[in-house]
Amino acid sequence: GAVVSQHPSRVICKSGTSVKIECRSLDFQATTMFWYRQFPKQSLMLMATSNEGSKATYEQGVEKDKFLINHASLTLSTLTVTSAHPEDSSFYICSASIAGVHADTQYFGPGTRLTVL
Amino acid sequence: QKEVEQNSGPLSVPEGAIASLNCTYSDRGSQSFFWYRQYSGKSPELIMFIYSNGDKEDGRFTAQLNKASQYVSLLIRDSQPSDSATYLCAVTSTGDKIIFGKGTRLHILP
Repeated sequence: GAVVSQHPSRVICKSGTSVKIECRSLDFQATTMFWYRQFPKQSLMLMATSNEGSKATYEQGVEKDKFLINHASLTLSTLTVTSAHPEDSSFYICSASIAGVHADTQYFGPGTRLTVL
Repeated sequence: QKEVEQNSGPLSVPEGAIASLNCTYSDRGSQSFFWYRQYSGKSPELIMFIYSNGDKEDGRFTAQLNKASQYVSLLIRDSQPSDSATYLCAVTSTGDKIIFGKGTRLHILP
């Protein structure tokens, strides 16, 4: 149980284009989904937290107009990197938590590696 | 500022031995504690969570929590080369943001 998928797993795009990454909870309804970014050999950095049907809460320093998050249902959240630039190249990972006793446990998706040329 | 501290390593352990990974946290009000394993180039995978003082065992893994000392550890028995990875300690309180440590790199020597 508690399987989270991400699509695509890898994407290469040209500078200036927008990229959408999907995060799905496959066998549970996720009360909250989280988006992280990880640069090589660095630690996870939380970008934003989203709850179904409400606006995402962004961490300090993360541009909400650049990283658009939509949490349309209890099983799907999307992250759109708008007008991507080479410095946005990174490993983007989503996670999801389940309502209930262990609501603070996060289950991670496999990640999306973004390369912006 | 709430912090979670881990030794970055690498921690080298012979195959078959016990690997001991340690983590300290600053927020005395923390209630939930997690260990994740992350292989190079992959996303984190939940290994264990622990909420109460004492030991929690799951197969070759044992998590140990000491809230008085604000200390949580992970023991891996009978270490295997496949255990070589970065181990992330994470801490949170109900309704609060989870805080990750920077991870300890573990290398199991064949």
